[in-house]
Amino acid sequence: GAGVSQSPSNKVTEKGKDVELRCDPISGHTALYWYRQSLGQGLEFLIYFQGNSAPDKSGLPSDRFSAERTGGSVSTLTIQRTQQEDSAVYLCASSRPQGAPENEQFFGPGTRLTVL
Amino acid sequence: GENVEQHPSTLSVQEGDSAVIKCTYSDSASNYFPWYKQELGKGPQLIIDIRSNVGEKKDQRIAVTLNKTAKHFSLHITETQPEDSAVYFCAARAGSWGKLQFGAGTQVVVTP
Repeated sequence: GAGVSQSPSNKVTEKGKDVELRCDPISGHTALYWYRQSLGQGLEFLIYFQGNSAPDKSGLPSDRFSAERTGGSVSTLTIQRTQQEDSAVYLCASSRPQGAPENEQFFGPGTRLTVL
Repeated sequence: GENVEQHPSTLSVQEGDSAVIKCTYSDSASNYFPWYKQELGKGPQLIIDIRSNVGEKKDQRIAVTLNKTAKHFSLHITETQPEDSAVYFCAARAGSWGKLQFGAGTQVVVTP
């Protein structure tokens, strides 16, 4: 079946502009995660959605970052007033419902964001 | 919070030799330890995982070991092949769901 998809694959923007990154999780996966991967670094957790529960926003680096998930499926990560240090690959992952016996996280290909 | 350290940062091996990557974690509540392989330009792909109720798990040429007392776990790749060249990440999680805490990654290069 289809995996996690993300769009755009690449985004170049100017400092100070807002950007929106989209994630389509695997059908039936109620958990959705956003991570950030800076060049040559590991993955840094940003935010986690699980069904209708309040999201875990503990990883968002500043109030310029926000995310929403409409209808329990597609998610959008928004970065306002982008800064050069926001340049990174933004990865989305999804997993089966909380409590499912197999709940590994499946990752999308990522969106490479470059802030000039 | 959880902190995961991963070593080495780079690993070069001859084709056919074994590769070992080691990770340590800090949160004794962590009970799920996945390993991901990331090829250039792609998202991470789960290759094997282990839960805290077992000490070792194998899948063909890949194995993972877990020492809960010492809080470390390792990935072992035997009979390495050029297609094993990639960046490998370990991760840890406390509980049955939620965020993963990742190590910094290991660049593995398998030379023919």
